[in-house]
Amino acid sequence: KQEVTQIPAALSVPEGENLVLNCSFTDSAIYNLQWFRQDPGKGLTSLLLIQSSQREQTSGRLNASLDKSSGRSTLYIAASQPGDSATYLCAVPKEDSGAGSYQLTFGKGTKLSVIP
Amino acid sequence: DARVTQTPRHKVTEMGQEVTMRCQPILGHNTVFWYRQTMMQGLELLAYFRNRAPLDDSGMPKDRFSAEMPDATLATLKIQPSEPRDSAVYFCASGWEPDRGIETQYFGPGTRLLVL
Repeated sequence: KQEVTQIPAALSVPEGENLVLNCSFTDSAIYNLQWFRQDPGKGLTSLLLIQSSQREQTSGRLNASLDKSSGRSTLYIAASQPGDSATYLCAVPKEDSGAGSYQLTFGKGTKLSVIP
Repeated sequence: DARVTQTPRHKVTEMGQEVTMRCQPILGHNTVFWYRQTMMQGLELLAYFRNRAPLDDSGMPKDRFSAEMPDATLATLKIQPSEPRDSAVYFCASGWEPDRGIETQYFGPGTRLLVL
């Protein structure tokens, strides 16, 4: 059974700092990996999706990398801002051709606080 | 700006009562997911529909939960009878699954359920 772990559970940094969030997964047979952002009381917003054939994806100040062989992904946030404060979750589907192939297994997230 | 809508946003009920949550997926999307989020368990997939057909509901307690898609614009999640342990935030998400695999999922704002 796929397990996704995110460390640390919470992180507090001063504004302007670069930071890295970590995600690890136990089953490397994944089709892709996604990073989501969740604001308090809100749903999830997809930030980046990395296909299994890719090694990284970039969007603005965000860069996500994927190393399937080691079962790890990182989300790099450059020049952090108070507006980046949220919980960041990573999720992987199971690579399977049958029904339920696209179930997402989520980590419990890293709660990020960027202090002005 | 297309988005997934969920109703109600908040629900307080007493143990034993029936609860129905509704979701309107983004027009044109062919997949719908129901998730439950709690502090202890994080996000868990309850059910997954593709082209209105249920493909996987293995994460759902069968004795009290049921999920349906009466038409392409409405998905429902019902709990009968509700129990205090069902208290959680229930998210609906929709997506478009092309032939080569599903892409990102778009989440609704969630229904926050409290069962007393």
